[in-house]
Amino acid sequence: GENVEQHPSTLSVQEGDSAVIKCTYSDSASNYFPWYKQELGKGPQLIIDIRSNVGEKKDQRIAVTLNKTAKHFSLHITETQPEDSAVYFCAASIGDDKIIFGKGTRLHILP
Amino acid sequence: EAQVTQNPRYLITVTGKKLTVTCSQNMNHEYMSWYRQDPGLGLRQIYYSMNVEVTDKGDVPEGYKVSRKEKRNFPLILESPSPNQTSLYFCASWGQGASRLFFGSGTQLSVL
Repeated sequence: GENVEQHPSTLSVQEGDSAVIKCTYSDSASNYFPWYKQELGKGPQLIIDIRSNVGEKKDQRIAVTLNKTAKHFSLHITETQPEDSAVYFCAASIGDDKIIFGKGTRLHILP
Repeated sequence: EAQVTQNPRYLITVTGKKLTVTCSQNMNHEYMSWYRQDPGLGLRQIYYSMNVEVTDKGDVPEGYKVSRKEKRNFPLILESPSPNQTSLYFCASWGQGASRLFFGSGTQLSVL
């Protein structure tokens, strides 16, 4: 069946450095790729998304890149700050109305 | 304020005692879904609904029931809970097509 692979499962970076999380998807028809951030004790919240007609999208310190040929997309966080510590989920659309999630990456920002 | 409200936040119960977790959204969204989150397994979809009276199984539907009698509400029912249903549960809603999901704050369920 369709799936989304996410790596790494845990990532520790020094405050101020960059963090990169990578995902691959299996359904070549997927056309919507959101990223969610889950802080402790809360539900996931959308931080950025990209559609298949765009290769890159940026919002302040966060950027997402998409390579449709390779079925690969990535989240880049620059100048990391303590409040970036959280669990991040990538996701991909399946069909017209379904979303499947990767297994998540726990990001630790080290002081 | 746009939000998805689920209750309760925490629930401890015993094996076999029926329970319901409620979910309500105020955004007039067509789609609603339940997920469970377990360590190392991410978010797995239990059931979802495309509109009133229209529901479908997700990836892990065994042991769960849902209903969508009104557009805003999508309760999750465990008729006979078992310890392997101990998990963190999230309700989510979204509009037409593949778009942003809005999640509730979660329900931590422990089945003893």
